[in-house]
Amino acid sequence: DAGVTQSPTHLIKTRGQHVTLRCSPISGHKSVSWYQQVLGQGPQFIFQYYEKEERGRGNFPDRFSARQFPNYSSELNVNALLLGDSALYLCASSLGQIQETQYFGPGTRLLVL
Amino acid sequence: RKEVEQDPGPFNVPEGATVAFNCTYSNSASQSFFWYRQDCRKEPKLLMSVYSSGNEDGRFTAQLNRASQYISLLIRDSKLSDSATYLCVVVGSGNTGKLIFGQGTTLQVKP
Repeated sequence: DAGVTQSPTHLIKTRGQHVTLRCSPISGHKSVSWYQQVLGQGPQFIFQYYEKEERGRGNFPDRFSARQFPNYSSELNVNALLLGDSALYLCASSLGQIQETQYFGPGTRLLVL
Repeated sequence: RKEVEQDPGPFNVPEGATVAFNCTYSNSASQSFFWYRQDCRKEPKLLMSVYSSGNEDGRFTAQLNRASQYISLLIRDSKLSDSATYLCVVVGSGNTGKLIFGQGTTLQVKP
């Protein structure tokens, strides 16, 4: 069975640009969460989507937005990129909204110059 | 104070050693706890859940002390392949599946 997939794997952008990251959950999983991991730190929660609705938001500015599609895949958008947005962006999928094991994709490594 | 705190290490141990990692969490209402393992430049992978009664999976034992709000992971007979970062994870309270990660503890097992 395919695990969580993310695209692209790597991305280089310049300050002020916009980026879209994509995630496909494990088949049958309805919840997708996004995390940001900067070097030397644990992942930080950005969003959770379940059944196409936002169910949770972390402490990130409004430049970060996301959505979930009818097939449960998801996009994370970041506008007006800053140098500090350079990080590994991880997508995790789970069957349900809460108290479910989350499985992570390989991540998208974003570098902002 | 961070919601989940871990000693970042690194812990450098010889093969065959026993090593223990601890983690503390701030929200006494937290209900679910996990240890994830993360290899260099890879995604986190679930190592094991942590239960109040403690649980064991082969060489790995996880313990939860709710009164002290602390979680531990014990690795016995360390292997070279155990070298990784170990992330302590608490599920946030409320109606989301938000995972709250510690900074991670780096383990390097040497021959």
